[in-house]
Amino acid sequence: EVQLVESGGALVQPGGSLRLSCVASGFTFSSYWMSWVRQAPGKGLEWVANIKQDGSEKDYVDSVKGRFTISRDNAKNSVYMQMNSLRAEDTAVYYCARRGSFADIWGQGTVVTVSS
Amino acid sequence: EIVLTQSPGTLSLSPGERATLSCRASQTVSSSNLAWYQKKPGQAPRLLIYGASSRATGIRDRFSGSGSGTDFTLTISRLEPEDFAVYYCQQYARSPFTFGPGTKVDIK
Repeated sequence: EVQLVESGGALVQPGGSLRLSCVASGFTFSSYWMSWVRQAPGKGLEWVANIKQDGSEKDYVDSVKGRFTISRDNAKNSVYMQMNSLRAEDTAVYYCARRGSFADIWGQGTVVTVSS
Repeated sequence: EIVLTQSPGTLSLSPGERATLSCRASQTVSSSNLAWYQKKPGQAPRLLIYGASSRATGIRDRFSGSGSGTDFTLTISRLEPEDFAVYYCQQYARSPFTFGPGTKVDIK
């Protein structure tokens, strides 16, 4: 079964850091771009970042540039999001998704809450 | 940044009726790099359409996409009870890959 499972979401104070993980199974992970997409409470979907198959290319939405870093480990079938200098507006469900363009497979999401 | 506008904001229909959802882009979306997703509360989004008109794997043929340039449409030919949800369009022609604000299809 093709599957993505996220973890690492938590309650964190403003200015804090968090690392999200996503483990893939059921497909050849190293053949796909991967993405992170988020949904803030009561809001729509927002594409956050993507990463090429070998990690050589990365792209981010402007609001997270310089604070978030996407990375991957193909040996572990995993993609990560290091989130630093977190703000209240980063509060959201974060989804890991397959492909860097449209997303054909999604994880169930992990909740990040930034609050004091 | 390409801004997507979806209309209507909410569509109130009965099961069996036809739903027509619109997505308009602020700039031409090249190569029809537009997708549609279905989102239900507490669930992950589900890809319905990519390339403006190609159905994703396992998507029933009552869902169809059309359009090019700046105007795109998602049509649900006959609404089933499980189709009541929020629908988002997304362009992936140019970074950042933006989503529209969504159209909620609810039961009349």
